[in-house]
Amino acid sequence: DAGVIQSPRHEVTEMGQEVTLRCKPISGHNSLFWYRQTMMRGLELLIYFNNNVPIDDSGMPEDRFSAKMPNASFSTLKIQPSEPRDSAVYFCASRSATGNSYNEQFFGPGTRLTVL
Amino acid sequence: AQTVTQSQPEMSVQEAETVTLSCTYDTSESDYYLFWYKQPPSRQMILVIRQEAYKQQNATENRFSVNFQKAAKSFSLKISDSQLGDAAMYFCANKPGNTPLVFGKGTRLSVIA
Repeated sequence: DAGVIQSPRHEVTEMGQEVTLRCKPISGHNSLFWYRQTMMRGLELLIYFNNNVPIDDSGMPEDRFSAKMPNASFSTLKIQPSEPRDSAVYFCASRSATGNSYNEQFFGPGTRLTVL
Repeated sequence: AQTVTQSQPEMSVQEAETVTLSCTYDTSESDYYLFWYKQPPSRQMILVIRQEAYKQQNATENRFSVNFQKAAKSFSLKISDSQLGDAAMYFCANKPGNTPLVFGKGTRLSVIA
């Protein structure tokens, strides 16, 4: 398995532009998570989905952020309009929520976003 | 609120020596899991070790072991025979009940040759 796939790996954009980050979870995983990592705030959970349904988006910082999961194999995190303070590494993670025991959560390689 | 605290922003260890990274957590759940993740400069998050709260025995994975003190809500990571490849950020995380992982701020570990 290729693991969790994120694209792009790096994104540099100008303030005010729309940014779309993409994630392909591991096949068969039914939970998907979006995190943001910064030096100041560490790893923050933005939103997570179970079976393609958003369960908790309380971590999404502002209305400028939105996330979708149209099917089990694809999710997007969109920032519109982007601001310099959105610069961070964005991680997608997935895991299988089936069974009684906890299953490992696998992380993608992250997208480093720089907003100028 | 669920919280995870790593009180050591940075640590260093001599190669081949042992180092312990601290972590405390706060949860109202009785059923939870605890984890240590490693993040090397490549940014990849790698699961190092996990502990089920209902298990009294401390988890061990090769050179990595934990000291789980449930009453004190403490979950430290011990790295024995440290190697240069152990240099990374280490994150402690708690998964209470059916909620997602809650991460600490991390400890940056340097290994000195």
